[in-house]
Amino acid sequence: GAVVSQHPSWVICKSGTSVKIECRSLDFQATTMFWYRQFPKQSLMLMATSNEGSKATYEQGVEKDKFLINHASLTLSTLTVTSAHPEDSSFYICSARVQGLEYNEQFFGPGTRLTVL
Amino acid sequence: GQNIDQPTEMTATEGAIVQINCTYQTSGFNGLFWYQQHAGEAPTFLSYNVLDGLEEKGRFSSFLSRSKGYSYLLLKELQMKDSASYLCAALDSNYQLIWGAGTKLIIKP
Repeated sequence: GAVVSQHPSWVICKSGTSVKIECRSLDFQATTMFWYRQFPKQSLMLMATSNEGSKATYEQGVEKDKFLINHASLTLSTLTVTSAHPEDSSFYICSARVQGLEYNEQFFGPGTRLTVL
Repeated sequence: GQNIDQPTEMTATEGAIVQINCTYQTSGFNGLFWYQQHAGEAPTFLSYNVLDGLEEKGRFSSFLSRSKGYSYLLLKELQMKDSASYLCAALDSNYQLIWGAGTKLIIKP
């Protein structure tokens, strides 16, 4: 089946530093990947849609200069949280959509838990 | 606007049956998903409905009524491991997933 990996699984960093999270589709090519953020006891919030070879489309209220997304290849998208602050602490999840599937299912990575001190 | 409504929390007994309801309002509709999410983990796919009716898959079944903008997830023979959040998500006309806030299901022995 379609497998999506994320790295790292968790990260703790100091306020003001930048953190890069990688999302990889392991056994398929993903032209579209999605980045979500989830705060405790809340649902998934779509941050941006990442298309291979083009600029990401950000949701309203998401700062594109703070959350840098690069989808350099058909199997890799990265999210960089620049100058992270404690309020950026959250569970970040990526997903990839498999083209041609009957129902456009999204396959989720295991998530990255970010804690900013 | 686009909106998904589902109960915040439900409690059920091991071995019993529980139905989690979801109503949706979206710009266009291309199907409805149910995902299961255990605490601290990413969501996992449970079901997809795009036509009216009931889809059965083992202990889990999902129902859709497009005219009513309504779906439910039915879980039978509940097990303790079914304790999780259940997320309802509708696919809009742009094939974007619109997520509900999730229903936390608590299973008691």
